[in-house]
Amino acid sequence: QVQLQQWGAGLKKPSETLSLTCAVYGGTFTNHYWGWIRQSPGRGLEWIGEVNDSGDTNYNPSLKSRVTILVKKSTNQLSLKVISLTDADTAVYYCARRWPLVKPSSCFDTWGQGTPVTVSA
Amino acid sequence: DIQMTQSPSSLSASVGDRVTITCRASRSVSNSVNWYQQKPGKAPHLVIFSASSLHSGVPSRFSGSGFGTDFTLAISGLQPEDFATYYCQQSYTSPFTFGPGTKMDVK
Repeated sequence: QVQLQQWGAGLKKPSETLSLTCAVYGGTFTNHYWGWIRQSPGRGLEWIGEVNDSGDTNYNPSLKSRVTILVKKSTNQLSLKVISLTDADTAVYYCARRWPLVKPSSCFDTWGQGTPVTVSA
Repeated sequence: DIQMTQSPSSLSASVGDRVTITCRASRSVSNSVNWYQQKPGKAPHLVIFSASSLHSGVPSRFSGSGFGTDFTLAISGLQPEDFATYYCQQSYTSPFTFGPGTKMDVK
C-alpha cells in the first residue's frame, strides 16, 4: 500500500521561500500524478499543482507564478517550492496522489500527513 | 474555475440516523465528483469517487449519486466514527476545486 511522508520547515517569514518534500513508499511514480494541496480556515482546500513521472507539471493559475513542483524519480520524492510568501500562504500543506480514472475523472486517493506552515513576521 | 458549493454547512445527527449532504457545481462536471471525509488533525480520506463508486475499504453505508451539476452523499445507519467533515471535489477540469465542507457532529 502506497504511503506518503512529507517534511519541511513550518515557520517562515514574509517574502521567504517555502520548501517541502514528500516521499512515496510502497509504490511507483508511474501512471499517477503527484501533487500538493493546502488547507486554511479562510480558503478551505486549495489544489496547488502536480507533476507526473515524466516531469510534466500542471499548476493552479492562482499560484502558478510562485510555485514549482519537481519530481526526483531516483528517490521516489516530489518537492514543492513557493516563493515570495505572505500571510495568506499560512496553511496545512498536503502532498497527494491523483489517480486517473476514466477520462476526465480522477481522485486524490492517497494523502500525506500534512505539514503546518505559518508565515509570520 | 468551477465553483463547488455544499449544503448544509453543518448538521447534527444521532447514531443510526440517515443523513444526506448535497454538492452543486457551477457548471456541468459529468460524474467527476469525489467525496472526502476529514477528521480533526488528519488528512482528508477518499470515500466516494466518480460520483457513486465506493473507495476500497469504505463501508457500504456510504453512497453517492448525481450527474451534471448536482450530487449527493448519503450515509445510512450513522456510526460514531462517521462524525467528521465531508468535502466534495470536482476532477472534471483543472484547477481541481473543493467544496467548503459540511461538518457533522453528534446531536
